[in-house]
Amino acid sequence: DAKTTQPNSMESNEEEPVHLPCNHSTISGTDYIHWYRQLPSQGPEYVIHGLTSNVNNRMASLAIAEDRKSSTLILHRATLRDAAVYYCILRSTYSGAGSYQLTFGKGTKLSVIP
Amino acid sequence: EPEVTQTPSHQVTQMGQEVILRCVPISNHLYFYWYRQILGQKVEFLVSFYNNEISEKSEIFDDQFSVERPDGSNFTLKIRSTKLEDSAMYFCASSESSGYNEQFFGPGTRLTVL
Repeated sequence: DAKTTQPNSMESNEEEPVHLPCNHSTISGTDYIHWYRQLPSQGPEYVIHGLTSNVNNRMASLAIAEDRKSSTLILHRATLRDAAVYYCILRSTYSGAGSYQLTFGKGTKLSVIP
Repeated sequence: EPEVTQTPSHQVTQMGQEVILRCVPISNHLYFYWYRQILGQKVEFLVSFYNNEISEKSEIFDDQFSVERPDGSNFTLKIRSTKLEDSAMYFCASSESSGYNEQFFGPGTRLTVL
């Protein structure tokens, strides 16, 4: 999987929007952008993924730059339960070596202030 | 909502002993995975399993590790002769397919090797 770069940590006030950035300048045309999060003492949890267009689901929105070299995960109203480590991961649709695994980086630790 | 379950939640063992970690993936999923996370470190891929055989494994997954799907529901990770450095959280995950589909993670088993 291609490399991603995320800030180590971010803070947000409760009930305010949060924009979590991710840079992936070496992304290839077959790479999907996935976001997972890991709440304290839990397993990783899928959040959202996209290829080129912006995506929305019940948990979050994903904004993808036109050149696809960066993306932003948007939590519209942060709650205390959103305090977690957020991982941006590239996954290729190519069914070859490496396609099965998720490669986790250090992610961004999001703190939510009440 | 279907979920991945893991047992036990915490396993304590003596160095050199064999342990078996158990997982029940989501019932209609076809791909199964094991990851581990040493305390304070990144989540690391160990192995993926499809159609009753290993499809991919990392360098960590050496001869002391093995996986099995003994029946239609369970997926196990066996560590033959545990070492102190095997102490970690072990997460099982499953997905409907490989590639860009999301993986669903279990809550993990904390393995402590004394």
